[in-house]
Amino acid sequence: QSVLTQPPSASGTPGQRVTISCSGSSSNIGSNYVYWYQQLPGTAPKLLIYRNNQRPSGVPDRFSGSKSGTSASLAISGLRSEDEADYYCAAWDDSLSGPLFGGGTKLTVL
Amino acid sequence: QVQLQESGPGLVKPSQTLSLTCTVSGGSISSGSYYWSWIRQPAGKGLEWIGRIYTSGSTNYNPSLKSRVTISVDTSKNQFSLKLSSVTAADTAVYYCARDEYGTGYFDYWGQGTLVTVSS
Repeated sequence: QSVLTQPPSASGTPGQRVTISCSGSSSNIGSNYVYWYQQLPGTAPKLLIYRNNQRPSGVPDRFSGSKSGTSASLAISGLRSEDEADYYCAAWDDSLSGPLFGGGTKLTVL
Repeated sequence: QVQLQESGPGLVKPSQTLSLTCTVSGGSISSGSYYWSWIRQPAGKGLEWIGRIYTSGSTNYNPSLKSRVTISVDTSKNQFSLKLSSVTAADTAVYYCARDEYGTGYFDYWGQGTLVTVSS
């Protein structure tokens, strides 16, 4: 089954800014909202960004999302050790008639 | 505060049916316009949407699993359930239930997840 394409890993040092990309197609990212989820080790995913660039209450403004065409990005500024987690993008897929997830990116804070 | 909790056997034999239940607390499963989904994650891998049931009882399934999946709701118990038939080792995963507020992938509440292992 097709998934949205993310880099398997990313890293940065405390205080740095890192970005994670997510590539899709016209049937998902190109025509629907993008969501980002953070999954800390051993826990369920948590909604981080919705509708491309909106943050739920309680999510620090260090996290930001953007979308252009069939791609999206998650940016984390002022990187902190507690940001070390797996990050997943997601978007509704018109062909699937359901939500499609990215393969996930493991973020390491060096 | 809405909470979701998965329950069910942690071990299922190959070719049998996997059955899980998600109990919703802190709100009625039949109120509002919510979609209740099942999502799974094999160890060390990404998330896969299995299917969902709407407040009205209508369902949508991932085409790759559709022939083996049934999702149902019991409003009297504030629960929804997953049945996955003819399981194989490839179905071994952590299974999550989650609420999608808009039916677009906006999963705002998740259960803690339950590991189901398919093995004889």
